Amino acid sequence: GENVEQHPSTLSVQEGDSAVIKCTYSDSASNYFPWYKQELGKRPQLIIDIRSNVGEKKDQRIAVTLNKTAKHFSLHITETQPEDSAVYFCAAITSGGSYIPTFGRGTSLIVHP
Amino acid sequence: DSGVTQTPKHLITATGQRVTLRCSPRSGDLSVYWYQQSLDQGLQFLIHYYNGEERAKGNILERFSAQQFPDLHSELNLSSLELGDSALYFCASSVGGTSSNEQFFGPGTRLTVL
Repeated sequence: GENVEQHPSTLSVQEGDSAVIKCTYSDSASNYFPWYKQELGKRPQLIIDIRSNVGEKKDQRIAVTLNKTAKHFSLHITETQPEDSAVYFCAAITSGGSYIPTFGRGTSLIVHP
Repeated sequence: DSGVTQTPKHLITATGQRVTLRCSPRSGDLSVYWYQQSLDQGLQFLIHYYNGEERAKGNILERFSAQQFPDLHSELNLSSLELGDSALYFCASSVGGTSSNEQFFGPGTRLTVL
């Protein structure tokens, strides 16, 4: 089955810095890669996603890049703010008839004011 | 608020017992997904239902079962509970039946098995 590795497990940055979280996956059939943000005690929320036919996607301060050959994708957050502090999860999914997501273990991002 | 509701919010029970968790999807969503989130296992996909039919199974134990009813709400039944089943259980819903649709998560049910 699919295996997703996520690094780092904890990331501490100063407000205004950039943050990068990386995930690697094992199944070349995976073709959809969402990122979720989960604040303490709250539900996961989709913040950005990318499909395998796209190399990069941006949404304001957030961007995701995908390298299909190397089987890795990354989340980039620029100009970080204290409210970006949360746990971020990546996932790899093989879409089609079934939806079976495999999640990374999560990255705890701490943005210091 | 995502529009997905889950009851109860908290559940405390004993080993060997059986519990039922309930999820109501957003209006118009046909898919319901169940997830388990624990400290040691992270976020794990359990099962996916689309318009009343099971679509995909993940790491769901045989002691666990789920169903989606004609009104599209879903229930997750956990039986012969063990200490290790203590976790946060989320359901999520989406419009369609594939990963191309954004999922909206409910607030979760925190299960504690003593």
